[in-house]
Amino acid sequence: QKEVEQNSGPLSVPEGAIASLNCTYSDRVSQSFFWYRQYSGKSPELIMSIYSNGDKEDGRFTAQLNKASQYVSLLIRDSQPSDSATYLCAGRDSSGGSYIPTFGRGTSLIVHP
Amino acid sequence: DAGITQSPRHKVTETGTPVTLRCHQTENHRYMYWYRQDPGHGLRLIHYSYGVKDTDKGEVSDGYSVSRSKTEDFLLTLESATSSQTSVYFCAISGTEREQYFGPGTRLTVT
Repeated sequence: QKEVEQNSGPLSVPEGAIASLNCTYSDRVSQSFFWYRQYSGKSPELIMSIYSNGDKEDGRFTAQLNKASQYVSLLIRDSQPSDSATYLCAGRDSSGGSYIPTFGRGTSLIVHP
Repeated sequence: DAGITQSPRHKVTETGTPVTLRCHQTENHRYMYWYRQDPGHGLRLIHYSYGVKDTDKGEVSDGYSVSRSKTEDFLLTLESATSSQTSVYFCAISGTEREQYFGPGTRLTVT
């Protein structure tokens, strides 16, 4: 079992809707979390980071971190077809004394017109 | 985009041959990483570096070696390529132990 878990999807939402992407993590993963977007055939690009419990908003994106329940989520408001991509959740495995990045397998998002 | 390049971008090689992939950065970042990405497995860390000549193993390091003799370059070597090493390889950099920025990737096919 990976330290960061995501539902592989695909998650299909209509244009204009809110897309909700979720990620759970184990005790080994530190409290720093990141969301990356990856278009097909391209490299991952960082879209959000969150370090503290609660919500963090950036434009149409909101990242939510709930340390008690060990989950982190990404909300995309007013979803557009251009948001169709795979979204990777990442944390830091701190069990070895240094901070090793660890990724979930990603959730595929499809926004249909 | 962060100043990261990877070379070559595509390579086809035969089983048993050595292969070296290069990652070059112009950001002067301390940390550099090599990942492979395969369907069903996501991104898996191969090796990483936290400074010149300082490297460590990641989750899937068997069959791979790395070197970092300059801040800007991080080399990944497959001493004797196998078909199981057919993959897309990404380099990433980080100035801290937090956000990472990825290179464009190298698609490697071992026949």
